[in-house]
Amino acid sequence: NAGVMQNPRHLVRRRGQEARLRCSPMKGHSHVYWYRQLPEEGLKFMVYLQKENIIDESGMPKERFSAEFPKEGPSILRIQQVVRGDSAAYFCASQSIADEQFFGPGTRLTVL
Amino acid sequence: KQEVTQIPAALSVPEGENLVLNCSFTDSAIYNLQWFRQDPGKGLTSLLLIQSSQREQTSGRLNASLDKSSGRSTLYIAASQPGDSATYLCAVEDYKLSFGAGTTVTVRA
Repeated sequence: NAGVMQNPRHLVRRRGQEARLRCSPMKGHSHVYWYRQLPEEGLKFMVYLQKENIIDESGMPKERFSAEFPKEGPSILRIQQVVRGDSAAYFCASQSIADEQFFGPGTRLTVL
Repeated sequence: KQEVTQIPAALSVPEGENLVLNCSFTDSAIYNLQWFRQDPGKGLTSLLLIQSSQREQTSGRLNASLDKSSGRSTLYIAASQPGDSATYLCAVEDYKLSFGAGTTVTVRA
């Protein structure tokens, strides 16, 4: 059973471009969480999704950020019109019901 | 809103010394508490998970305790080694994880 997969592992974007981060949960997991780790800061919750539903997006910036977890395929975290302050490591975690969260290796986004 | 605090922020010890890392949280309504290790520029490695009904968990040289009523957890690492040098993160779950800022440990050979 493969672990949580994230791609790309490293992503470089210029200011104003779009960034798409993908997360494939572990087999059988229907819950996905996204967390962000800004440089020299701790990990912060962004959004919690179940298949086709956003359950809690209280940690997402109000503008430019969106997330989805479609019925088929990976979860996508999308950042439009990136700015330098978006440079961070983005981690996703997947979970089965009443189980612990398992983390992927992260995507490191650099905005030039 | 859950607040998680880790003390100390950094710790440097000689090899062989025992490590004590502290974590406190403000809201005791949690499902579980988890300790992670993070190496520079790397992902998270789960070390120990303590369910809210448990008092402690052990794995090898690692032991973690949980006192939910007082909002505290302690991670003990026995007989530290240079390979234990990393940042240790404490996180509490109330469905989402709330992380502390971490304790950066350096074990000197």
